[in-house]
Amino acid sequence: ETGVTQTPRHLVMGMTNKKSLKCEQHLGHNAMYWYKQSAKKPLELMFVYNFKEQTENNSVPSRFSPECPNSSHLFLHLHTLQPEDSALYLCASSTQEGENTEAFFGQGTRLTVV
Amino acid sequence: GENVEQHPSTLSVQEGDSAVIKCTYSDSASNYFPWYKQELGKGPQLIIDIRSNVGEKKDQRIAVTLNKTAKHFSLHITETQPEDSAVYFCAARYAGGTSYGKLTFGQGTILTVHP
Repeated sequence: ETGVTQTPRHLVMGMTNKKSLKCEQHLGHNAMYWYKQSAKKPLELMFVYNFKEQTENNSVPSRFSPECPNSSHLFLHLHTLQPEDSALYLCASSTQEGENTEAFFGQGTRLTVV
Repeated sequence: GENVEQHPSTLSVQEGDSAVIKCTYSDSASNYFPWYKQELGKGPQLIIDIRSNVGEKKDQRIAVTLNKTAKHFSLHITETQPEDSAVYFCAARYAGGTSYGKLTFGQGTILTVHP
């Protein structure tokens, strides 16, 4: 257990569905991230939140909509996805301060778009 | 922005042998270089990291070396065991901007240790 919990672990959705991924951390971190992990590609950073404010949107299509209601929770709202969006979606958190910049990852949500 | 290249993409060794994975990075301002291990069905987990004021760091069978001049760093695993089999990712932290935790990852190396 890394202290970062993602739900659900697996999700199958149709292209017209709307679903949400949830991430929760109780490590006292101030930064949270969404990454996309596709086969044979590096982890791709999608969004970054620092102190609940979005500081990075890495040219992600608008069919992915993040939400960070507080420093412990991060959501990724999904709508009208495409089959190529099927991937493992990883949440991570880290602290902003000092030298401790280790990122802790959740176990991911395996998303399949049909 | 930062760009990280990792090699090899796959590595197969016999139990007890050493394994070496190499990464290069592009941004000379990067100052933090972690290595992550990802087992099947799990998220990446930090196994060792190094900062730019250090050239080498060791933790039991795992060591990392950093050459800032050449902008490359390597992971060394000695006396490999079957449980070392996993995907390994290197990363570099881009020191600029406001996002201090932001990491750029390499493409990953699938390490297989044969008993």
